Amino acid sequence: RKEVEQDPGPFNVPEGATVAFNCTYSNSASQSFFWYRQDCRKEPKLLMSVYSSGNEDGRFTAQLNRASQYISLLIRDSKLSDSATYLCVVQEYYSSASKIIFGSGTRLSIRP
Amino acid sequence: EPEVTQTPSHQVTQMGQEVILRCVPISNHLYFYWYRQILGQKVEFLVSFYNNEISEKSEIFDDQFSVERPDGSNFTLKIRSTKLEDSAMYFCASIGLAGAQETQYFGPGTRLLVL
Repeated sequence: RKEVEQDPGPFNVPEGATVAFNCTYSNSASQSFFWYRQDCRKEPKLLMSVYSSGNEDGRFTAQLNRASQYISLLIRDSKLSDSATYLCVVQEYYSSASKIIFGSGTRLSIRP
Repeated sequence: EPEVTQTPSHQVTQMGQEVILRCVPISNHLYFYWYRQILGQKVEFLVSFYNNEISEKSEIFDDQFSVERPDGSNFTLKIRSTKLEDSAMYFCASIGLAGAQETQYFGPGTRLLVL
């Protein structure tokens, strides 16, 4: 089983639609969770951290289910500018270091 | 807003040559990372660096790779003898503290092409 697994997509949805991405992780000891977005040939940029209680930032909502080792991202009222690859990132902590694992990403394409 | 910078933005090299990729992390950050992303594939962790030493490295980071913080501001990744499969985008990232939700800031990357 992959350490961090995402549906690669692509998701092709019309502007204004709601779209949801899922991500599963294999290590139950994972401690921090993030969603990044990556535009073509650019660096990953943090979209939001994911907390157990769930968190919302404008049109974006992230959820974490530790029991199922599952993270989700919901985008409401999608815009053309939301077209990107969305990366699920899991961070594990050890005594002197942390290990950061990226999912392969889910491609989203918003059409007018 | 402070940012991580990387040079060069692109580098083309011959197989077997040494390359040095440079990064300037955000000035008050303490943890530094290198990642690579082969075209069309996922971002892969290479190495993390703290307090002037490697704190964690992946299986990819073999003897051909080394990292240094030569002058307190630059953070370099050296590939001693490049192979074709080293062609990738290399990202540097830095983080301020090892807090649970501390954000990694990525540089814009260096695109390395080995011929």
